[in-house]
Amino acid sequence: GAGVSQSPSNKVTEKGKDVELRCDPISGHTALYWYRQSLGQGLEFLIYFQGNSAPDKSGLPSDRFSAERTGGSVSTLTIQRTQQEDSAVYLCASTPLAGLLYNEQFFGPGTRLTVL
Amino acid sequence: DAKTTQPNSMESNEEEPVHLPCNHSTISGTDYIHWYRQLPSQGPEYVIHGLTSNVNNRMASLAIAEDRKSSTLILHRATLRDAAVYYCILIKGAQKLVFGQGTRLTINP
Repeated sequence: GAGVSQSPSNKVTEKGKDVELRCDPISGHTALYWYRQSLGQGLEFLIYFQGNSAPDKSGLPSDRFSAERTGGSVSTLTIQRTQQEDSAVYLCASTPLAGLLYNEQFFGPGTRLTVL
Repeated sequence: DAKTTQPNSMESNEEEPVHLPCNHSTISGTDYIHWYRQLPSQGPEYVIHGLTSNVNNRMASLAIAEDRKSSTLILHRATLRDAAVYYCILIKGAQKLVFGQGTRLTINP
């Protein structure tokens, strides 16, 4: 079946521009996560959505970052006034149940963002 | 948060078993041990998880020490496709994954 998809796969932008990254989770998965991974680094949690609950935004690095999830499915991560340090691979993952203990996270292929 | 320690890198030969260690001496009783891996230029991929007992699935086996302060991921017969960074993670109902640097596994043909 279809996995998690993300678009675009690559995005090159100029410093100061806004970008939108899209994630289509696996159908029926209730939880959705955004992470980012800088070159050679581990994952950095950004934000978590689960059902109709308020999202956990504790990982967003600044108020330039925001995300929404419409209709409990597709999610968009927006970065305003991009900076060079925002360059990274942005990964989306979904899981079929709210808890992680018994369920794996299914990751998308990521969006590679380069800010010039 | 309980921390895990893994070797930075390991190397093995194709078709041989691989044992990837992970130390988690501060693990609590409710922490589950999860393993993920990340192949080059791909998103992370779930491998296996366990609590106390050893676990087997189609990808790997997980051996957990009796005191739970360490665990070992076992790939029974490595292939070139198994070359990846392997992450050992402790999860206690947290709703996010926190990856460290992991172990970079190289498989020689």
